[in-house]
Order: sequence, then structure tokens, then C-alpha cells
Amino acid sequence: AQSVTQPDIHITVSEGASLELRCNYSYGATPYLFWYVQSPGQGLQLLLKYFSGDTLVQGIKGFEAEFKRSQSSFNLRKPSVHWSDAAEYFCAVGAFNDYKLSFGAGTTVTVRA
Amino acid sequence: DSGVTQTPKHLITATGQRVTLRCSPRSGDLSVYWYQQSLDQGLQFLIQYYNGEERAKGNILERFSAQQFPDLHSELNLSSLELGDSALYFCASSVGSTATDTQYFGPGTRLTVL
Repeated sequence: AQSVTQPDIHITVSEGASLELRCNYSYGATPYLFWYVQSPGQGLQLLLKYFSGDTLVQGIKGFEAEFKRSQSSFNLRKPSVHWSDAAEYFCAVGAFNDYKLSFGAGTTVTVRA
Repeated sequence: DSGVTQTPKHLITATGQRVTLRCSPRSGDLSVYWYQQSLDQGLQFLIQYYNGEERAKGNILERFSAQQFPDLHSELNLSSLELGDSALYFCASSVGSTATDTQYFGPGTRLTVL
């Protein structure tokens, strides 16, 4: 069964600084990888996804993520954080012929002025 | 706005009671997924329906059941409620039923069991 680990529970970053959120997955075959964001009181919104091909994927809101098979990682990055990026971020993994998504525990991002 | 609607937004009830959560998927989406988000368990997949049929089951308790109706809306029924059932319940929908189909999440229903 697939699983996802997000090692950082909480990250604080200054506005304008870069942000990197870590995600490690465990799955025997090629995973399908996702990053979702959850703003306070809101549902989850898809930021980006990776199925195959180019290992650097671009998403919405200026986010990007890089798939590294050798490290079983799919880290999320943003070059310059805005105050509106304060939210909880979830990494998720799916697989071919497996309909569900398995989510990590989430990383809460706080943006300070 | 994802296009997925969930009602009610908040639900407060007592232990032992039964509640029904409702989800309307995005127009054109055939799959509906239910997830439970709690502080101790995180986001857990409960169950998936595709075009009216149950497609996959996750960590769903026997006290919980769901169905998808011909108009594709779905209901999640929670019975004999316990304090530990207090959580945020999300519905998501997608066009198809495979992992490559993007799941769009609703705003959730917050259930509080007293």
C-alpha cells in the first residue's frame, strides 16, 4: 500500500522568501503524486500533479514540484511567498488501478510580514 | 469554488444519533469520494462511488454507509455516533474513476458529536 510522509508539521517563512515543503512517498510502482492546499475553513484545492514525463511540474499560484524517483520525493517549492500562501499543504499519492488518494499529515505554513 | 457542494456546513448532534451528509458533484463528474479529516487520523479515504456503483472502500466503519443516486448526488450516513466521529467530512468528485482523474473537493461538513 502506498503511503506519504510530510516530515515538517509546521513551517514559518517570511513574506518574499522562498518556500520548500518536503514530501516522501512509499510505493512499489510508479506513483501518481499531488499537492493540495487547504486554506482555513476551506476545502482542498489542487496545486499540481505528476503522472509521468517531465519531473518538474508547474502548478497554480506560482508553485512547482520536482519528482525525484531516486529519493522517493516530490517536494513543493515557491520562489517568493505571499501572505496569502499561509495555509495547510497536503501531499497525496495515488496509483494506477487504485482509486483512492493517500494523504500525508500536512504541513502548516505561516507567513510572517 | 470547486463546483462541489456539501450540506450542511456544520452539524452538531449527540452520541448515538444518526446523521446524513449530502454532496452534489461538479456538473459532468461521475465519481464521488468521501474523506474524513480528524486531528488524530488526518485525511482518510472512506469510500468511492462511480455512476451509482460502489467502486472502492477505505477505512469506513460499519456504522457508516453511503450511496450515490441516479442524479449523481451522494449521501453519507453516519449512525450510532460516537465522540470520536467528530471530524470534517469532505466530498470530492472527478470525471472518471482512475487515479489520474483530478479530484475536486467540496468545502466540507464539520460534524460535532457531543
